[in-house]
Amino acid sequence: TQLLEQSPQFLSIQEGENLTVYCNSSSVFSSLQWYRQEPGEGPVLLVTVVTGGEVKKLKRLTFQFGDARKDSSLHITAAQPGDTGLYLCAGTRGYGNKLVFGAGTILRVKS
Amino acid sequence: NAGVTQTPKFQVLKTGQSMTLQCAQDMNHEYMSWYRQDPGMGLRLIHYSVGAGITDQGEVPNGYNVSRSTTEDFPLRLLSAAPSQTSVYFCASSYTRTGLNKRTYTWAEAFFGQGTRLTVV
Repeated sequence: TQLLEQSPQFLSIQEGENLTVYCNSSSVFSSLQWYRQEPGEGPVLLVTVVTGGEVKKLKRLTFQFGDARKDSSLHITAAQPGDTGLYLCAGTRGYGNKLVFGAGTILRVKS
Repeated sequence: NAGVTQTPKFQVLKTGQSMTLQCAQDMNHEYMSWYRQDPGMGLRLIHYSVGAGITDQGEVPNGYNVSRSTTEDFPLRLLSAAPSQTSVYFCASSYTRTGLNKRTYTWAEAFFGQGTRLTVV
C-alpha cells in the first residue's frame, strides 16, 4: 500500500483540455512536492508546498496543498503536448529529508 | 554545473554477478539517496546518506550496499544480482530548506541523475 495515492494512474486528453491530478494520504506531511519526469530522464522538481491550504501557480499549472496537509492536487489549464510526461507527488514527514513518492500519473496530451 | 551524474546509463548483468552503480554530485549537498523505479510503483528508497560516513536503509535495502566516503560520491553496490533487481535506478542529492510560519519545519528538495537502466538475466 502506497503512503501517497495518486489518481488517476493514466490520463489521455486532447490539447486545450484542463485536467487535475490528485495525491492523497491518510498521513500528515510537512511538505508535498510535485515532480515531472520525461522518458529516459530523472524526475525534475516543479514545486514544493508546505503550508496547509497553500496554492502555488507555475504558468498554466496550479498546485494546492490541503488544509490538513494530507493531500495535494495539480491542475493544468489548456494542456499542451509538451505537458506529456509522468507526474509524481512526493512528501516529507516531520523534520526528515526522506521523500516518499506516489506511484505517479502518466499524462499524454494529444495534438 | 553538472548536478547529479550517474554511470553507467545502461547495464546488463547475469544472475549472481556483482557491480557498482556510480553517483556523483557537485552541489555540496549533504543528503544523497538511491531509488529504484518500477512500473506502477513510483520511486522506492533503497539507501540514503545524511553526510559523509553516515548511511541508512530505506524501504527496499535487501541485496544492495552503499558507502559514503566523500560528500560528492555515493556508489550503490549490487552484491549478487537477481532478476528481481531489474529496474531503473536513480540517485538523488537533496538540500534542506527551512521555513518559519508559526512553526519551524524543514523539507528536502531533490535533484536526480538521469538514471541507470539495469537488466539482470
